[in-house]
Amino acid sequence: KAGVTQTPRYLIKTRGQQVTLSCSPISGHRSVSWYQQTPGQGLQFLFEYFSETQRNKGNFPGRFSGRQFSNSRSEMNVSTLELGDSALYLCASSLAIRLGEQYFGPGTRLTVT
Amino acid sequence: QKEVEQNSGPLSVPEGAIASLNCTYSDRGSQSFFWYRQYSGKSPELIMSIYSNGDKEDGRFTAQLNKASQYVSLLIRDSQPSDSATYLCAVIVRMDSSYKLIFGSGTRLLVRP
Repeated sequence: KAGVTQTPRYLIKTRGQQVTLSCSPISGHRSVSWYQQTPGQGLQFLFEYFSETQRNKGNFPGRFSGRQFSNSRSEMNVSTLELGDSALYLCASSLAIRLGEQYFGPGTRLTVT
Repeated sequence: QKEVEQNSGPLSVPEGAIASLNCTYSDRGSQSFFWYRQYSGKSPELIMSIYSNGDKEDGRFTAQLNKASQYVSLLIRDSQPSDSATYLCAVIVRMDSSYKLIFGSGTRLLVRP
């Protein structure tokens, strides 16, 4: 089975711009979660989607949004980028009934200048 | 109080020793617990799950759960330099009518040859 894929792998943006990141889950996995990882804050939960619906959301501002398509692929968008948004953004997929058993993609390294 | 707490380390052990990694959690109702391993520059990968009080063994790894003390641990026997990584404890917590996976900040393990 192919693993979780994320595109792009690296991205450099300037403050004020917006960015869209993409995630394709493992075939058959309908739950997709997004995380932000920084050296200071560790792995922070952004949101989780299941069947095109956001089931859960972390404590991030409204500039962070996401969506899931009917084929379970997911995108996250960050608008009005700030320097503090520089981080590794990880997507993980799981079977809906096994939320804790998540398979992570390689991540997208976002740098905001 | 953080929902999932871990000592950031680093925990340094000699090759062949037992490494003991600890985690405490705040939600007394949590029922599902996980250990992930993250090598430097890589994504987290699931190595153990535990749902019942007691020990669960998988090769050189043993997960231990004590729900009364709200404590989860991971023992790595015969530690190898290749075990050097950050180990993340994760717990499923109930938020309103849904569940989400919360990660600790991780413990960095260094195994000295």
